Amino acid sequence: RKEVEQDPGPFNVPEGATVAFNCTYSNSASQSFFWYRQDCRKEPKLLMSVYSSGNEDGRFTAQLNRASQYISLLIRDSKLSDSATYLCVVIRRGSQGNLIFGKGTKLSVKP
Amino acid sequence: GAVVSQHPSRVICKSGTSVKIECRSLDFQATTMFWYRQFPKQSLMLMATSNEGSKATYEQGVEKDKFLINHASLTLSTLTVTSAHPEDSSFYICSANPGRGLTSTDTQYFGPGTRLTVL
Repeated sequence: RKEVEQDPGPFNVPEGATVAFNCTYSNSASQSFFWYRQDCRKEPKLLMSVYSSGNEDGRFTAQLNRASQYISLLIRDSKLSDSATYLCVVIRRGSQGNLIFGKGTKLSVKP
Repeated sequence: GAVVSQHPSRVICKSGTSVKIECRSLDFQATTMFWYRQFPKQSLMLMATSNEGSKATYEQGVEKDKFLINHASLTLSTLTVTSAHPEDSSFYICSANPGRGLTSTDTQYFGPGTRLTVL
């Protein structure tokens, strides 16, 4: 079983739609959690950190449920420019800070 | 924000040759840099952790004699793919932590990646 699991999609949604991505992690020693965005053939870019109290940044809301080892990302009012692959990422407690990536969920926003 | 550069951005080489990829932190010092590899439609996988002034730590299954890592200064780490073969063709990405006292919550900044194609 992979340490970080995501539904690969693709999610094809119209502009303006609300879309939710889920992610589960298997290692309870995971300490830090992030969502990254990766455009085709580019490096990943940090979208936001994820906290148990929830974290909102504009149209993006991330949530962590430590008991269920579950992370979510909600995108409201989708834009064409949101089309990308969204990577769920964790860091294990006690590690040197290396990131453990999920395979990513592909989002395609259509006009 | 912090910037990490990689060079070259793309390389095509013949089987059996060695390829060196540079990763530089441009406006901060990084005692630790990470090297990742991403095959098509796969997740980024950590290959090794590069520590300034000491030997790199390799992940299980990554051959240290094939993927040579040198972190000679606080702003430069190099990855050399020795005797490259077609199965080494991949997207190689480095990242660096700006913080000196590493904690697992330090933000990482990624280089733009190097696309290696071995013919």
